[in-house]
Amino acid sequence: EADIYQTPRYLVIGTGKKITLECSQTMGHDKMYWYQQDPGMELHLIHYSYGVNSTEKGDLSSESTVSRIRTEHFPLTLESARPSHTSQYLCASSFRAEAFFGQGTRLTVV
Amino acid sequence: DAKTTQPPSMDCAEGRAANLPCNHSTISGNEYVYWYRQIHSQGPQYIIHGLKNNETNEMASLIITEDRKSSTLILPHATLRDTAVYYCIVRPATSGTYKYIFGTGTRLKVLA
Repeated sequence: EADIYQTPRYLVIGTGKKITLECSQTMGHDKMYWYQQDPGMELHLIHYSYGVNSTEKGDLSSESTVSRIRTEHFPLTLESARPSHTSQYLCASSFRAEAFFGQGTRLTVV
Repeated sequence: DAKTTQPPSMDCAEGRAANLPCNHSTISGNEYVYWYRQIHSQGPQYIIHGLKNNETNEMASLIITEDRKSSTLILPHATLRDTAVYYCIVRPATSGTYKYIFGTGTRLKVLA
């Protein structure tokens, strides 16, 4: 059983608000990832990290930012939420081969 | 990183074997074939991986052709709960810089 947790599971928030999506893993994995996925669509990598103080942009441009101050924690922040940010955000971690995913945060910006 | 090609969708009768193909003609010698699946909108789940030999676990079997340019994931007795999107990914096993890029996958529908 994978130990990777995302909070909140669901979030409805107004335009212009700042939000932080939390992702934590207890497996000590160095590599962590954030994906964005619209209903029925592809998973798009938006951020990844190879370890503490390492963050990189993914293949899909995103207005969100991430930080990696601790190995187990990889939060994603939107400074000013917009309706175009409405989507599901999935966090994952990996050590060598297998990637483990959280349950996702479904974000709705109204 | 090698790219993969999968059919967009497949149907399978419940209780029958589901055979999901994947083409990876540009695979290199140190790259493994991984399969994940995503049920509804949950996070993808690892199924199986292999290098060149066929592999089997409690979930599925993986058949890789001798030239390694294609593979087939087999769910031996598909159930309704196997309805999901199945992703085939090619990557080095221990690459420090691999980003786990998911393509469009195959949407498998198991029919009662």
